[in-house]
Parts: sequence; C-alpha cells; structure tokens
Amino acid sequence: EAGVAQSPRYKIIEKRQSVAFWCNPISGHATLYWYQQILGQGPKLLIQFQNNGVVDDSQLPKDRFSAERLKGVDSTLKIQPAKLEDSAVYLCASSLFGRNEQFFGPGTRLTVL
Amino acid sequence: LAKTTQPISMDSYEGQEVNITCSHNNIATNDYITWYQQFPSQGPRFIIQGYKTKVTNEVASLFIPADRKSSTLSLPRVSLSDTAVYYCLVAGADSNYQLIWGAGTKLIIKP
Repeated sequence: EAGVAQSPRYKIIEKRQSVAFWCNPISGHATLYWYQQILGQGPKLLIQFQNNGVVDDSQLPKDRFSAERLKGVDSTLKIQPAKLEDSAVYLCASSLFGRNEQFFGPGTRLTVL
Repeated sequence: LAKTTQPISMDSYEGQEVNITCSHNNIATNDYITWYQQFPSQGPRFIIQGYKTKVTNEVASLFIPADRKSSTLSLPRVSLSDTAVYYCLVAGADSNYQLIWGAGTKLIIKP
C-alpha cells in the first residue's frame, strides 16, 4: 500500500516569495491534515479536511496561508508571502474517517531566507 | 496547550525495558490514548493506541490505569534504533480526532 506522498521534499525561498506544497493521501482516507513542525517542537495542526470540506483551520494564519482539497483527494498548501518564521517542516497526514491513527508523509522542509 | 504531559528526555541502554509515562488529567470519556514515534527528518509513525487496561502489539505495550489519567508506554529490550522522540496524545470523537502535540519525550538509547 502506497503511503502519503509529499512534494517537494525541500524548498528554499526568499522572504516575501510564494511557495506551494502538495500532498497525496493514502487511497480511501477521507481525513487529511497539514501540520507545521518547527525544529525541536511537536507538530502543530494548521488545517484538517474531511473529504473536501474544512473541519478546522483555527490555527492557519489565513492572511498568508491557504489550503485546498478540491476533489477530496490530494491537497495543496500555499504560503504567500513567506516570512522568516515560516521556516519549518510541513507535514501532511491522512486517516480513515473517525480514527486516531494518522499516517504521515515525509514532509517538506522549507527554509525562508 | 497539549493535553498531555510527559518527560522531556530519557536515557537508557540497549537490551533494557523502557517505560515512558504520560499524564492526561483532563482526558474525555470518548478519548483514546495514542503514541507516536518520530525519527529525525521523518514524519511521526503510529506505535500503539488504547482506551483502558493493557494493549500489546509487536513493538510495544500500553498500560492504562482505571482512572485513565495517565498511561505508560513500554518498549521491551530497546536497541539503538529506538532512539527517537515519542509523543503521547489523546483524542476522540469530541475533538474531531485532532491530535494536539506537545514536545514529546526524546529517548536516547546508549550502547
């Protein structure tokens, strides 16, 4: 069974530039999560989708971050414009509906210079 | 704030049994207790989940007392490859199965 796919694995940008991350969850997983993980900290939930609807985006900085899951399968997270403090690993995870077990992708390491 | 409290770090030696205890005083009736493992440069990986008493799988055991206000992850006969960060989380239907992550426990296994 294929795992959660993410791309790119690494990205370096200048501050004020834009960046987008892509995630393809495990087939059949209705729930998709985007997390931000800063070095030395646990993951912080940015947004949770149930199929193509948003369940929770209370911690998403909506002035610069956006995310979509148009067909209820893969998802894109965008940052526009990026700030230095956005440097982190962005993790995508998916799960079956109503389950705690989340499956994580390898993450995208973003460096903002 | 994380719903759980666990030690920041622990050391042990190869071949020993390691127990990591987590406190979750405000656990809800519908919450399950879940543990994840994370290696550097990788996403977290599910280890084990339980609701009460004891759960065992091929890699770990989870002990949960009757009041469910704490839990203990037990790793038998650890090896160097068990060096990682371990996260204890509680979640359930009432919280849309959202996992609120603390800093975890950094476990270092020595030869």
